[in-house]
Amino acid sequence: SQKIEQNSEALNIQEGKTATLTCNYTNYSPAYLQWYRQDPGRGPVFLLLIRENEKEKRKERLKVTFDTTLKQSLFHITASQPADSATYLCALLSGSARQLTFGSGTQLTVLP
Amino acid sequence: EADIYQTPRYLVIGTGKKITLECSQTMGHDKMYWYQQDPGMELHLIHYSYGVNSTEKGDLSSESTVSRIRTEHFPLTLESARPSHTSQYLCASSEFTTEAFFGQGTRLTVV
Repeated sequence: SQKIEQNSEALNIQEGKTATLTCNYTNYSPAYLQWYRQDPGRGPVFLLLIRENEKEKRKERLKVTFDTTLKQSLFHITASQPADSATYLCALLSGSARQLTFGSGTQLTVLP
Repeated sequence: EADIYQTPRYLVIGTGKKITLECSQTMGHDKMYWYQQDPGMELHLIHYSYGVNSTEKGDLSSESTVSRIRTEHFPLTLESARPSHTSQYLCASSEFTTEAFFGQGTRLTVV
């Protein structure tokens, strides 16, 4: 069956360090992979999108990599700040681009 | 600022009642989604639509139904609410391959 797995444990890091979050998937051939941020009680907010033929994407302090051979995406936040504390979700858009499916999310806490 | 709206934000209703959760977007997006999310848990896709008169069930089985008669409107209906339906329901819309915009969500409690 199709599965999207993210870091199962919550991630705590010190302010200023780089946070690295993992998204692994099985039995998918996604055309697009997206990362979202979700704060408690609110809907997810889009951060970055990467296509299957792209290896890396950057936006300010954020970087996403996409390895279709390993079936894995890594999400990096450099120079992390307490305001970056949230749950981060990866989402896969199928080749037909009809269904957007989310992983379980990783809760990140940046300690001052 | 995303132009997608959900009403009501909060709803407490008795068992057996029929309810409709409203979702509207003004961005002209063809694709719309309904997700169910319990506190601290993952988002589960329950319904999606890729255009007018097209609806599909998602990965999570749900007793709810949806309709898509107009591009901007994607309501979700529960014919007979039960306590097991208590959850947060999130609506989203997107262009064909781009990011999804989410509404504020409806927190439903069935007593």
